[in-house]
Amino acid sequence: SQKIEQNSEALNIQEGKTATLTCNYTNYSPAYLQWYRQDPGRGPVFLLLIRENEKEKRKERLKVTFDTTLKQSLFHITASQPADSATYLCALDNKDSGAGSYQLTFGKGTKLSVIP
Amino acid sequence: AAGVIQSPRHLIKEKRETATLKCYPIPRHDTVYWYQQGPGQDPQFLISFYEKMQSDKGSIPDRFSAQQFSDYHSELNMSSLELGDSALYFCASSLIADTQYFGPGTRLTVL
Repeated sequence: SQKIEQNSEALNIQEGKTATLTCNYTNYSPAYLQWYRQDPGRGPVFLLLIRENEKEKRKERLKVTFDTTLKQSLFHITASQPADSATYLCALDNKDSGAGSYQLTFGKGTKLSVIP
Repeated sequence: AAGVIQSPRHLIKEKRETATLKCYPIPRHDTVYWYQQGPGQDPQFLISFYEKMQSDKGSIPDRFSAQQFSDYHSELNMSSLELGDSALYFCASSLIADTQYFGPGTRLTVL
């Protein structure tokens, strides 16, 4: 069966450290994988998109890697700040869903808490 | 920059009533998606439209229907509401298969 797993429900780290979140998937053939940030009661906010032919992508303090052999994406936040505290969701599409299907399937999310 | 607009932001209904949620996508985006997020859950895909035609269908109950209009706004119609329909409903828009940008959501409470 298809599954998207994010390594932990909650992650606590000290301010200034690097947070690393993991997203593993099975029985998907994603053309791309996306990371979103969600604050309580708010809509997911797009952070980064990485395509199947890309290994790594960076944006300011954020870095995403994508290994289609391992079926895994790692999401890093360097020099973390208390304002980074939120739930981070990975989401992917599935090429096997057929043409015209771009629905995203989300992982359960990892709630990150950055402690001052 | 313009974002996705959803209305209303909050809605309270009784069981068996009907609700209509509206979504105004980012200008020039041609695809609209609807997601449902229950408490403590991840967003679940309901339905999508590309150029006013239904393009994909997920776990949308038969009691729900949706459409996209000529101005690209979309409406999600929910009938015979049940307690379990209480959730956050998000609309997202994109330019075909590109990044999906989410709206602030409509919080539906069914009493």
